[in-house]
Amino acid sequence: DAKTTQPPSMDCAEGRAANLPCNHSTISGNEYVYWYRQIHSQGPQYIIHGLKNNETNEMASLIITEDRKSSTLILPHATLRDTAVYYCIVRAQTGANNLFFGTGTRLTVIP
Amino acid sequence: NAGVTQTPKFRILKIGQSMTLQCTQDMNHNYMYWYRQDPGMGLKLIYYSVGAGITDKGEVPNGYNVSRSTTEDFPLRLELAAPSQTSVYFCASSYGQGPGNTIYFGEGSWLTVV
Repeated sequence: DAKTTQPPSMDCAEGRAANLPCNHSTISGNEYVYWYRQIHSQGPQYIIHGLKNNETNEMASLIITEDRKSSTLILPHATLRDTAVYYCIVRAQTGANNLFFGTGTRLTVIP
Repeated sequence: NAGVTQTPKFRILKIGQSMTLQCTQDMNHNYMYWYRQDPGMGLKLIYYSVGAGITDKGEVPNGYNVSRSTTEDFPLRLELAAPSQTSVYFCASSYGQGPGNTIYFGEGSWLTVV
């Protein structure tokens, strides 16, 4: 599976958009980009995933570059409850052992 | 609306003791997983199961055993606990293995081996 690189930490003002980058320069053609987050002392929570096109759901938007070597997770209006560690994961299409977590980005939303 | 349920939430073990972490899911998912997370690190896969009666090793299986006698349950057994097994353990499940199958996680079990 492709490895991902994320900044270790970021701050964001409450109410502003949080843009979390992820580099996955070795991604393969059939690998998806997934984002999970982990709020302190809780299990990881699914946010969004995509292959090539930009995706949006009720939680966030995912922007994937045309060459698929990087992506950005956007939380449009960050709240204090969005403070968490965000994991960018490249997931292979097959194989159950296919969700590798790195160390993620610790996002702190500041009042 | 239970999802993935793990017990116990917290446990302290002495070196050499054994215990079982219980995991059950009520979503009729075929795939189940056990991960561990050490402080400040990401999750690492211990074991997984693609269905009842089928289990396989993940990235860090040593010191653990699993069984999958039913679709709902996937217990993780620690034999001869060691301090290196002090960690947070997460059970997870998904319907299938493809990218469209979201993996859902339990709330975690905190284990300390002293």
